[in-house]
Order: sequence, then C-alpha cells, then structure tokens
Amino acid sequence: ETGVTQSPTHLIKTRGQQVTLRCSSQSGHNTVSWYQQALGQGPQFIFQYYREEENGRGNFPPRFSGLQFPNYSSELNVNALELDDSALYLCASGRTGARVQFFGPGTRLTVL
Amino acid sequence: EDQVTQSPEALRLQEGESSSLNCSYTVSGLRGLFWYRQDPGKGPEFLFTLYSAGEEKEKERLKATLTKKESFLHITAPKPEDSATYLCAVQAGETSGSRLTFGEGTQLTVNP
Repeated sequence: ETGVTQSPTHLIKTRGQQVTLRCSSQSGHNTVSWYQQALGQGPQFIFQYYREEENGRGNFPPRFSGLQFPNYSSELNVNALELDDSALYLCASGRTGARVQFFGPGTRLTVL
Repeated sequence: EDQVTQSPEALRLQEGESSSLNCSYTVSGLRGLFWYRQDPGKGPEFLFTLYSAGEEKEKERLKATLTKKESFLHITAPKPEDSATYLCAVQAGETSGSRLTFGEGTQLTVNP
C-alpha cells in the first residue's frame, strides 16, 4: 500500500510570487486535506477536497486555493506569497466515513 | 470555536522514566480525538483514535485514555527512540468534514 506522497520536498520563493504544491493520496482514499504548520506550532487546517470540490475551509484567505483530480491527487496553490507563508505544508488523505487522516511528509516552503 | 491545549510544552525524561502528556479540549460535539507523533521536519504519524469517554488504546509503550474534557498519553519505560513531538487533535461537529484542530504539541526528549 503506497502512502501519501508530496512534492517538492523543499521550495524557496520570493515575496509576491505564486507556488503550486502537489500531493498524491494514499491508495483507496478519496478525501484530501491541506494543513499549514509554522515552526513550533501545531498544523492549521487550510481546506479539504472531496469529489473534486472544496468541502470545508479554515481561516485562510482566497489566495490559498486548491484542486483535486479524478485520481484523487491534489494541488495547493498560493498566490501573492507573503513572508508569513513560510511553513511546512502538509497533505492528509482519508476515506469518507473513516475519520482517520494519514499525512504525507510535507513540503517546506521558504518565502524570502 | 474548538480549542485544544497540550501540556507540558516540553518534557525531558530519562530512559525508563514513565510519564504522561495531557491534552485538554473544548469542542461542540466531539467526533474523535487523535494522537499523532511527529519527528523533526516530517509529517505527523498516526498513533491512536479515541471516540468516547472511558475508551483506552495501547501500542507498545504508549497508552491513550479519554475523558469528557481531556486525554492523556501515558508513556511507560520510554526509550530514546520515543523522542518526538506528540500532537493531539480533535474532530468535532457534523458539518466540519474531516477537519482536525490541533494543539501546539508536546516535545518529548528521552535521554539514554
């Protein structure tokens, strides 16, 4: 069984740029959620996707957007990057009806 | 608003010295409480899910318990490889999907 994978591992961008992060869900999973984890903090929920539509959103501005594809892979897009967007971005997948989410290794984004 | 508070923020133990981590929560309609382990720079690794007060789960040297207001993660005779940050998260409400609300974590260090 393949676990959740994310790419790239690390990324450096400058303020104002746009970034796309990618996630492949664990086999058999049909929901995907994205979280932002600042250094020394717990993960913060950004949004969740199910059936290729956003299904719940945390307290993040519209410049954070996402996509879920028919094969259940997902993208997180962030426009107009700010210094505070520097964080570990985590993708988690699960199955509807099952409450557990399994996390990928994360993408470390640094905004200069 | 769902709130999760973990204590202590950091805990340093000697190998074999048992202890407990605390997770107190305030939610409307708890659907599940989750414990994850996170190593530096990596994604959270699922440990346990607890659904109702009085429930207990065990895995090797770890035992998680749940009351109506808090959860404990008991570590018996810890080893250096148990060193990590332990995260507690709650899932609540019928309309929030699979959203997890995390605490800030407890950073555990076990010295040989």
